[in-house]
Amino acid sequence: SQKIEQNSEALNIQEGKTATLTCNYTNYSPAYLQWYRQDPGRGPVFLLLIRENEKEKRKERLKVTFDTTLKQSLFHITASQPADSATYLCALIYGNNRLAFGKGNQVVVIP
Amino acid sequence: DGGITQSPKYLFRKEGQNVTLSCEQNLNHDAMYWYRQDPGQGLRLIYYSQIVNDFQKGDIAEGYSVSREKKESFPLTVTSAQKNPTAFYLCASSRVGAEGQPQHFGDGTRLSIL
Repeated sequence: SQKIEQNSEALNIQEGKTATLTCNYTNYSPAYLQWYRQDPGRGPVFLLLIRENEKEKRKERLKVTFDTTLKQSLFHITASQPADSATYLCALIYGNNRLAFGKGNQVVVIP
Repeated sequence: DGGITQSPKYLFRKEGQNVTLSCEQNLNHDAMYWYRQDPGQGLRLIYYSQIVNDFQKGDIAEGYSVSREKKESFPLTVTSAQKNPTAFYLCASSRVGAEGQPQHFGDGTRLSIL
């Protein structure tokens, strides 16, 4: 069956350090992968898109990698700040721009 | 400001009642989507529409219905046939054409059963 797996345990990290989140998928062959941020009681907000032929994408303090051989994407927040505390969702695109989401991984940045 | 407006923010339903969740967008997007989010679960697609007067079932359409009479609006009706309707419902929109278009989300409606 198709699965998108993100770590269910919250990531607690000291301010200023780099947070790294993992998204693993099985039985998908996505040409695109997206990352979203979700705050409690709010809708997700789009952060980054990476294509299958791109190894890495950066936006300010965010970096995403996409390894189609390992079927894995890594999401990095460098120089993390308390305002980065949120849940981060991995999403695969599977036709007609439909998204399949992982369950999300919570990040808590400790001042 | 352009965006997606969902209303109401909280909604309560009695057993056996249908309820309709509103979703309006002013982003001029052709595609609109409805998702359901349960605690500890990923978002699951209920219905989506890529053009006015056309829509398709997603992964969990049973017990739900939609309409798309206007580009800006995509209301979702949770019918009495949906046996476990308590959830956080999210509406989204996107451009169509190139794959990989980001989806823009509203701030959701939380539905509870009385």
